[in-house]
Amino acid sequence: AQRVTQPEKLLSVFKGAPVELKCNYSYSGSPELFWYVQYSRQRLQLLLRHISRESIKGFTADLNKGETSFHLKKPFAQEEDSAMYYCALGGSEKLVFGKGTKLTVNP
Amino acid sequence: SAVISQKPSRDICQRGTSLTIQCQVDSQVTMMFWYRQQPGQSLTLIATANQGSEATYESGFVIDKFPISRPNLTFSTLTVSNMSPEDSSIYLCSVEYLGRGLNYEQYFGPGTRLTVT
Repeated sequence: AQRVTQPEKLLSVFKGAPVELKCNYSYSGSPELFWYVQYSRQRLQLLLRHISRESIKGFTADLNKGETSFHLKKPFAQEEDSAMYYCALGGSEKLVFGKGTKLTVNP
Repeated sequence: SAVISQKPSRDICQRGTSLTIQCQVDSQVTMMFWYRQQPGQSLTLIATANQGSEATYESGFVIDKFPISRPNLTFSTLTVSNMSPEDSSIYLCSVEYLGRGLNYEQYFGPGTRLTVT
């Protein structure tokens, strides 16, 4: 069965500090991992996916199959990064979401 | 990207009644999905709706409770039947569409916030 765990429900950092949102997954097949973000009063949107190996808005995430993790990182957090972040696992055509982490970046 | 709208954006309903939520996409898409997000919880897939075939329901969800229509490639409806307070949730429509980098991505609608009293 596919499972995604985001251990932190809430995460608070100061502007300019590094931030890491944790995500661990469980899946027997070849995983596709995604990070989705939902800013206040906006719809859920894709932030990045592991196969693209891209940096979006300064965020990166590396898939670590040994640790079954896909943590989201940003070296210097900005206030506009405050949002809900969801890690998602897509094995077949279905996406399984974690419970989300609410990131607050304080001035 | 695909632009998705949902109607209604929110509703307050009495228990025992039914509500139909509409999802409209500005492009033709093969795969549409319906999710539920209960208060404080993550998104849970209810069913996958492909045009021309019956919806495929996930474990714990049944057609009698959540009938789905998919009459064409740009539209779908989800009905929440015989509602109870436990059905209070945000219901989201999602589509799979070709995104940046020519990879398929899931795009989400704004959601329908349902409160059952």
